Amino acid sequence: AQTVTQSQPEMSVQEAETVTLSCTYDTSENNYYLFWYKQPPSRQMILVIRQEAYKQQNATENRFSVNFQKAAKSFSLKISDSQLGDTAMYFCAFMFRLYGGATNKLIFGTGTLLAVQP
Amino acid sequence: DAEITQSPRHKITETGRQVTLACHQTWNHNNMFWYRQDLGHGLRLIHYSYGVQDTNKGEVSDGYSVSRSNTEDLPLTLESAASSQTSVYFCASSATFSGELFFGEGSRLTVL
Repeated sequence: AQTVTQSQPEMSVQEAETVTLSCTYDTSENNYYLFWYKQPPSRQMILVIRQEAYKQQNATENRFSVNFQKAAKSFSLKISDSQLGDTAMYFCAFMFRLYGGATNKLIFGTGTLLAVQP
Repeated sequence: DAEITQSPRHKITETGRQVTLACHQTWNHNNMFWYRQDLGHGLRLIHYSYGVQDTNKGEVSDGYSVSRSNTEDLPLTLESAASSQTSVYFCASSATFSGELFFGEGSRLTVL
């Protein structure tokens, strides 16, 4: 069974600084996606970034980037130039792709609560 | 615009009562999912469906049921609500090959 581990329950960063959130996962599969979701106080689940396992290049979305280490089964999220609006719970998630690459269920980590301090 | 909506957004009920949480999506997505969110556990999968008449149990399915009679809806039923089912519930949907889930805004259920 696949598992996702986020070992940092809470983190804090100063505005404009850089912070890295850790995530490790365990799987024997080879065809999968990894995700970071953001959940602000509004409770809405917002997709931050997605990485396909077969791609060696790390995904980047503006100030958000990942460090994907497939052999180590590690998938960390780096937030550059942190902003007050980045304050949220961040969830790492894994998706094993079904036959033909079909979308499957997400398996979530327990989350990291990030506070950006002014 | 296409969307996914959950209702009710907040509900308080008593132990032993039957409760149904509604989930409706207008994207015509084949896949639909129900998760519950609890502090220290993240989001855990309750039930999911890959199409009409298809339902599958997730990791925390005891005490819950779903049915999929059309593409748009996947209602979640708690047959006899328990205090341990106090939680925030999220519905999500996805297209077959999109690799991305879209979430509703969540339903907060309190069982007294």
